[in-house]
Amino acid sequence: DGGITQSPKYLFRKEGQNVTLSCEQNLNHDAMYWYRQDPGQGLRLIYYSQIVNDFQKGDIAEGYSVSREKKESFPLTVTSAQKNPTAFYLCASSISASYNEQFFGPGTRLTVL
Amino acid sequence: RKEVEQDPGPFNVPEGATVAFNCTYSNSASQSFFWYRQDCRKEPKLLMSVYSSGNEDGRFTAQLNRASQYISLLIRDSKLSDSATYLCVVNTGGTSYGKLTFGQGTILTVHP
Repeated sequence: DGGITQSPKYLFRKEGQNVTLSCEQNLNHDAMYWYRQDPGQGLRLIYYSQIVNDFQKGDIAEGYSVSREKKESFPLTVTSAQKNPTAFYLCASSISASYNEQFFGPGTRLTVL
Repeated sequence: RKEVEQDPGPFNVPEGATVAFNCTYSNSASQSFFWYRQDCRKEPKLLMSVYSSGNEDGRFTAQLNRASQYISLLIRDSKLSDSATYLCVVNTGGTSYGKLTFGQGTILTVHP
């Protein structure tokens, strides 16, 4: 059964701690994306990766870092430099970066206390 | 002006009603357009792609007006299960990387 998985579903962290969100896909998609969603707002792009070992900053990359060592995996680290990290984080993938239909994982809801 | 703008609603309609949402976009070079559906506290799911002059899928019809730079979504014979937030999504990037810009969403509630 192909799809995108994200873990954990809910995450609580203390202020000042780094935290890593997992995103895995078995769709054989080349491109992967990270977005955050805040209440009443549209999704905003954090980072994207068009291919393994390559990634680019999105609109709101400050305070975040990513890696793309495997095609299937695109973890996101929320660092202590991110000023307002509490949000709903969504990972997506598409066949390629130029193929625009993106499919989303179930999301991780991060709360920083 | 926002890159992608939607009326946030909420739209409250009875079952069986027809409801339409509009969305405007600012980049005239945009080539790809989508409607996603998002249920409360869930991920967005692709509802329809709108590539040319529009398309229909069952009770759902999407239209594109390039001259006026807007797309619309029409839902006929609304069901209770149509209650959700509908996201207008536009490719605002070039062809080498299709940057998707999301509207803030339009909330629809269908009541008995």
